[in-house]
Amino acid sequence: DQQVKQNSPSLSVQEGRISILNCDYTNSMFDYFLWYKKYPAEGPTFLISISSIKDKNEDGRFTVFLNKSAKHLSLHIVPSQPGDSAVYFCAAAAQGAQKLVFGQGTRLTINP
Amino acid sequence: GAGVSQSPSNKVTEKGKDVELRCDPISGHTALYWYRQSLGQGLEFLIYFQGNSAPDKSGLPSDRFSAERTGGSVSTLTIQRTQQEDSAVYLCASSLSGRGYTFGSGTRLTVV
Repeated sequence: DQQVKQNSPSLSVQEGRISILNCDYTNSMFDYFLWYKKYPAEGPTFLISISSIKDKNEDGRFTVFLNKSAKHLSLHIVPSQPGDSAVYFCAAAAQGAQKLVFGQGTRLTINP
Repeated sequence: GAGVSQSPSNKVTEKGKDVELRCDPISGHTALYWYRQSLGQGLEFLIYFQGNSAPDKSGLPSDRFSAERTGGSVSTLTIQRTQQEDSAVYLCASSLSGRGYTFGSGTRLTVV
């Protein structure tokens, strides 16, 4: 039972353009969502989060959008840079819970 | 320490042997989590420790897997009678409160 799904295993974007990574979830009890970035041979690092009381959160080049009715969130990176090439994981937590449920990840490649 | 430390970084073991993976969380972090990432898969929750509470073991895949956390700090994940399907990167994370995890770099376990 995959509660958090990232349906695109990979995405290739040209440098300078916008990267959009998508994530869907099924559990309506999730109220907090996060994006993590992972380079090879390193652990995932926190990128940005959003609470269910918001529909958008922005941090520099990174913006996360949440559509609760569609149970969908997305991460926008603009402009994309070569250093953004990594695997991106979407994660969610239910109300009152600290345990995160992760998606399968999307490998983003930024082409020069 | 400044970050979450995991050892060993790589472990190759023969099928049927027992292995121990160690995690040293950030000092003062009360919550500690173990996840694993199998080839081509997302992050799979294994077990979660929070302070002195009983651990949430709901993600352990079989009774060959166990974990303990001594003195509220260092944790050891033990896999008995390893099988080839146990091959994965085992990731440890800690957090002070809430869902802001800091991950270690992981232990890559290969069972041959």
